[in-house]
Amino acid sequence: GAVVSQHPSWVICKSGTSVKIECRSLDFQATTMFWYRQFPKQSLMLMATSNEGSKATYEQGVEKDKFLINHASLTLSTLTVTSAHPEDSSFYICSARGGVAGETQYFGPGTRLLVL
Amino acid sequence: AQSVTQPDIHITVSEGASLELRCNYSYGATPYLFWYVQSPGQGLQLLLKYFSGDTLVQGIKGFEAEFKRSQSSFNLRKPSVHWSDAAEYFCAVGVGGFGNEKLTFGTGTRLTIIP
Repeated sequence: GAVVSQHPSWVICKSGTSVKIECRSLDFQATTMFWYRQFPKQSLMLMATSNEGSKATYEQGVEKDKFLINHASLTLSTLTVTSAHPEDSSFYICSARGGVAGETQYFGPGTRLLVL
Repeated sequence: AQSVTQPDIHITVSEGASLELRCNYSYGATPYLFWYVQSPGQGLQLLLKYFSGDTLVQGIKGFEAEFKRSQSSFNLRKPSVHWSDAAEYFCAVGVGGFGNEKLTFGTGTRLTIIP
């Protein structure tokens, strides 16, 4: 099956710094990638949808200047948490989908971010 | 707006026993429905999905789910669970058109298997 990787798997940073998370589709071309956020014991909440070569579409309530998403190639999307604060601590999960209609979303293993 | 409810936060089942995880959705049109499983340290894995057609859907690992429009439900079942089935299970509804669906997830059900 299709594999999606995320790097890093976990990161600790100081408040005020920026953190970049990578999401890669390893064996397929992902025309669309999604970024989710998951709080402990809660569901995944969609943050944004990105299509290769175009600007990401953010869900209501998600600060686009805080969470910068770049989808520069068909196999790589990045999420940068800018000027991170403790309330940004969470589990961030990406998913990727190919260009075939009805194609399944394949999920990465997630990145745990802790902001001190 | 669409929503998904998984009423059971945590379920404990004996190994070899049958399993049913409940999922109810709210959506104005015919939904695309999914069940995913999340194991620690691993990404969500798709168990099965319903787009149209036969309302009883077979998935991987011996799971099946039945779409009941009248009850707005898409319950997940397995006749005999294995210890390896212990994980978090998420039901999701997809909206946005076939092939372009965005997923809205339920809050998940944690499954514990006892010997």
